[in-house]
Amino acid sequence: EAGVVQSPRYKIIEKKQPVAFWCNPISGHNTLYWYRQNLGQGPELLIRYENEEAVDDSQLPKDRFSAERLKGVDSTLKIQPAELGDSAVYLCASSLGRFGNNEQFFGPGTRLTVL
Amino acid sequence: TQLLEQSPQFLSIQEGENLTVYCNSSSVFSSLQWYRQEPGEGPVLLVTVVTGGEVKKLKRLTFQFGDARKDSSLHITAAQPGDTGLYLCAGAWGSNYKLTFGKGTLLTVNP
Repeated sequence: EAGVVQSPRYKIIEKKQPVAFWCNPISGHNTLYWYRQNLGQGPELLIRYENEEAVDDSQLPKDRFSAERLKGVDSTLKIQPAELGDSAVYLCASSLGRFGNNEQFFGPGTRLTVL
Repeated sequence: TQLLEQSPQFLSIQEGENLTVYCNSSSVFSSLQWYRQEPGEGPVLLVTVVTGGEVKKLKRLTFQFGDARKDSSLHITAAQPGDTGLYLCAGAWGSNYKLTFGKGTLLTVNP
């Protein structure tokens, strides 16, 4: 069974440019998460979806970040315009349940470099 | 915001040595998970603990959850180069679904 798929794996852009990341979760997983992981840090939650509904986006910088999960399956995370401080690894994860003791399955991440 | 502290931040040891990594919070966890992350990959779940005093073993890895459910440790016996990676603890508090990750312990096991 395929795991969480993310693309692209790497992205280099200049500041002020837009960028988008795509995630395909494990089949049947209704809960989807986007995390940001800065160098030397643990992942930090940006947004959580239950099916197509964003139920927690409190950590998402809404002035420049947006996300969608059409039809409750694939998801995209967009940054427009990107800033130097957005350089990080963006991880997507999915789980069967929504509570903290459920296993989250992570994709390999997209490493974003903003020049 | 709940804070979760991990120590040490970095650990470099020789093959065959034992090591322990710690995870602490000032608040009681409802559950705690340990993940391992290899370079260029996402974290992979190792174990979930929910009961105070719980001990779980995974081959050479032993996980303990403190009686008060405020701390946890990961002990590796006879470390091998394949154990190299970033070890992350992640905790949830109360009925919150949200996992908060620690900064991780970067372990290097030298042959």
